[in-house]
Amino acid sequence: SQQGEEDPQALSIQEGENATMNCSYKTSINNLQWYRQNSGRGLVHLILIRSNEREKHSGRLRVTLDTSKKSSSLLITASRAADTASYFCATAFAKAAGNKLTFGGGTRVLVKP
Amino acid sequence: NAGVMQNPRHLVRRRGQEARLRCSPMKGHSHVYWYRQLPEEGLKFMVYLQKENIIDESGMPKERFSAEFPKEGPSILRIQQVVRGDSAAYFCASSHNSNEKLFFGSGTQLSVL
Repeated sequence: SQQGEEDPQALSIQEGENATMNCSYKTSINNLQWYRQNSGRGLVHLILIRSNEREKHSGRLRVTLDTSKKSSSLLITASRAADTASYFCATAFAKAAGNKLTFGGGTRVLVKP
Repeated sequence: NAGVMQNPRHLVRRRGQEARLRCSPMKGHSHVYWYRQLPEEGLKFMVYLQKENIIDESGMPKERFSAEFPKEGPSILRIQQVVRGDSAAYFCASSHNSNEKLFFGSGTQLSVL
């Protein structure tokens, strides 16, 4: 399967702690994206990192990409209760048409107040 | 600038009926993607369309499912003779160019009785 795989599947932390989740994939990519989904809602784009980039920041989010290991990580610093959601990595494979994304199974994050 | 609009939000059908799901992309976006999501799982790619053309339908079942994105009007995902296994959340996403982030609608929750 070309699908990204997230690890862990679920994460429970206290407000103020950092949350780290990982994503692995199998084939060459153009870019890797992270999305957030609140229960029963559509996905919201968080950050896009291109294959020639190694790290990106956006507010309290930090994403790394290691193309040699075919893996990425998403770090949420100083978590808040509002960060409770499912987080998905999605890969745009180099040979895929357009911006067709392949999603992983997600990491369900619970931030306890 | 309204986001991606999907309707209906909820759709209930009996086995054997037809389901029509509509998606209006963001203004100026000509790339539309349909995804299906089962509970507690990631999104599975179904089809990628660009105005009046199907670019990639590799994720769509060969039978009973069809999609279109006419020159005028919304994109339509049509499921004929629905079965219980079609029950899922169907998400539409759009993008301006073929190598950018996706903007998702809130989804249509299809329930087949």
